[in-house]
Amino acid sequence: AQSVAQPEDQVNVAEGNPLTVKCTYSVSGNPYLFWYVQYPNRGLQFLLKYITGDNLVKGSYGFEAEFNKSQTSFHLKKPSALVSDSALYFCAVRDRRGGGFKTIFGAGTRLFVKA
Amino acid sequence: EPEVTQTPSHQVTQMGQEVILRCVPISNHLYFYWYRQILGQKVEFLVSFYNNEISEKSEIFDDQFSVERPDGSNFTLKIRSTKLEDSAMYFCASSSTPTEKLFFGSGTQLSVL
Repeated sequence: AQSVAQPEDQVNVAEGNPLTVKCTYSVSGNPYLFWYVQYPNRGLQFLLKYITGDNLVKGSYGFEAEFNKSQTSFHLKKPSALVSDSALYFCAVRDRRGGGFKTIFGAGTRLFVKA
Repeated sequence: EPEVTQTPSHQVTQMGQEVILRCVPISNHLYFYWYRQILGQKVEFLVSFYNNEISEKSEIFDDQFSVERPDGSNFTLKIRSTKLEDSAMYFCASSSTPTEKLFFGSGTQLSVL
């Protein structure tokens, strides 16, 4: 069974500093990996995905994520945080195998960026 | 950018009543999903739907739940007899392929009293 772990409930960073939001996953085969962001009273919005190829994936709003197969991790990063990045971030995984179309989300990490 | 729309934004119901949550996915998408989120926390998979049938469902999606695509544009989630623990934000999502990103609606906040 596929699963996603986000070990930090909350991450606090100062504006202008780099940020990292951690994610590890477990699937039977090779995964499709995603990051989504949720602002208050809104649905989830796609940030970036890893399907295959380069382990460093670039996405929206200056975010990037690094796929590490040996550590089964897909950490979200940004070189310089903005106050407007404050939101709830979800890592998600979908197993490539099987006929179902189930994307599983982590528990979420709340990011606070302080001015 | 195209949007998934959900109605109503808020639904209050009495325990034991039936509710229908409505969604209009993005028009050229073929894969549809329902998720729920309790108290702004974990986003839980309920069901995926393709080619007019359920492709996968979670343990949460028991006999009290059903989904339907009654016409070419709407996608509905029905809860036959609501329980207190069904109170949550329900999100509809759609995608063009099963591996592409999900587009989420803004959700329906269901409150069961």
